[in-house]
Amino acid sequence: EVQLVESGGGLVQPGGSLRLSCAASGFTSANYWMHWVRQVPGKGLVWVSRINNDGSDIVYADSVKGRFTVSRDNTKNTLYLQMNSLRAEDTAVYHCARGSRGPDYWGQGTLVTVAS
Amino acid sequence: DIQMTQSPSSLSASVGDRVTITCRASQGIRNDLNWYQQKPGKAPKRLIYTVSTLQSGVPSRFSGSGSGTEFTLTISSLQPEDFATYYCLQFNSYPWTFGQGTKVEIK
Repeated sequence: EVQLVESGGGLVQPGGSLRLSCAASGFTSANYWMHWVRQVPGKGLVWVSRINNDGSDIVYADSVKGRFTVSRDNTKNTLYLQMNSLRAEDTAVYHCARGSRGPDYWGQGTLVTVAS
Repeated sequence: DIQMTQSPSSLSASVGDRVTITCRASQGIRNDLNWYQQKPGKAPKRLIYTVSTLQSGVPSRFSGSGSGTEFTLTISSLQPEDFATYYCLQFNSYPWTFGQGTKVEIK
């Protein structure tokens, strides 16, 4: 069974940093592009970033470019999202998802709250 | 960026009703469009990929159609478990963009 489980969310002050993880199981993550998608509670889905199979090609939404860094460790089947210079508008549930033609499987997400 | 305009934003329907949700892209996206269902507190679930291909395990009452810039998700006979929010996603070009969502509520 494919599973994606995010962790690392929490409360952080504006300007702070947080690192999210996404543990994949039930498939070989090295065979798939992976994504981060965020969702403000009660609002819609917003794509954040995509990393290709080996991590050599990464794309970011303009809203996070220069502040967020995506990486992956295929030996651990884990995806990461390093978030720096966090702003109130980054408050959201962060989902990881897999797939190259639109995500097919998603995790339930981890909540990041940026507030003082 | 490609804008995805989804309508309606919400609808009320009864069990057994036929429901249609539309997504319009601001430019042509070929067949690079998926539909997702999300229930409160849950991960999105892919229903339809590349416009009209039904995801394995998804009931056949769900169908997708369209081309170019206008796309439709149809639920032929709404069931109690279908009350949820539905999103379209274009993956033709970055940034990938979602429609604003359609909340399907019980009438």
